Amino acid sequence: NAGVTQTPKFQVLKTGQSMTLQCAQDMNHNSMYWYRQDPGMGLRLIYYSASEGTTDKGEVPNGYNVSRLNKREFSLRLESAAPSQTSVYFCASERGPRSGANVLTFGAGSRLTVL
Amino acid sequence: GENVEQHPSTLSVQEGDSAVIKCTYSDSASNYFPWYKQELGKRPQLIIDIRSNVGEKKDQRIAVTLNKTAKHFSLHITETQPEDSAVYFCAAINTGKLIFGQGTTLQVKP
Repeated sequence: NAGVTQTPKFQVLKTGQSMTLQCAQDMNHNSMYWYRQDPGMGLRLIYYSASEGTTDKGEVPNGYNVSRLNKREFSLRLESAAPSQTSVYFCASERGPRSGANVLTFGAGSRLTVL
Repeated sequence: GENVEQHPSTLSVQEGDSAVIKCTYSDSASNYFPWYKQELGKRPQLIIDIRSNVGEKKDQRIAVTLNKTAKHFSLHITETQPEDSAVYFCAAINTGKLIFGQGTTLQVKP
């Protein structure tokens, strides 16, 4: 039981390049999240998916797109990377807004550097 | 939308002392308030949580209190140990989205 798996763990991009961060969970959770973590800024929500087929903007969605491909997978895409997107990205999942559980399980994180 | 403010940003205590971290939230409809601990280089993990129908919850050396009227909640760690050193995040949930505070770096000095 792997939990939440993120790939890649590390990535260096040049300004203007595009890339996709992949996230998959094997816990049959309904809700999935993408956060970014920057020093002194905490964990800021980029996008949220309450269930398969739905996505919603979080606190800092600009410059990102997401796809909830199926119940297991939630990808984050940077179409034209900027140095301000240098960060550690965390994917997380939970059983769902009506489950009463609300406990997030996080992936190990993806460290992205944009030069 | 929800906004969560967390203080202090850093906290240094002697081993055995208590530590208190405070958070305020903006949306009175928020009903779930978890605390996560993140050790250096690792992913955040839930340590304790409280729902809006409860005023206080304890789990061994950690406790969380909630004041709904004032819209603030606090994490209390007693008898701190070096392994409590980490970054702590509070959060609040509303309409399904979990919004985090800015984090508190706790250092416990032996």
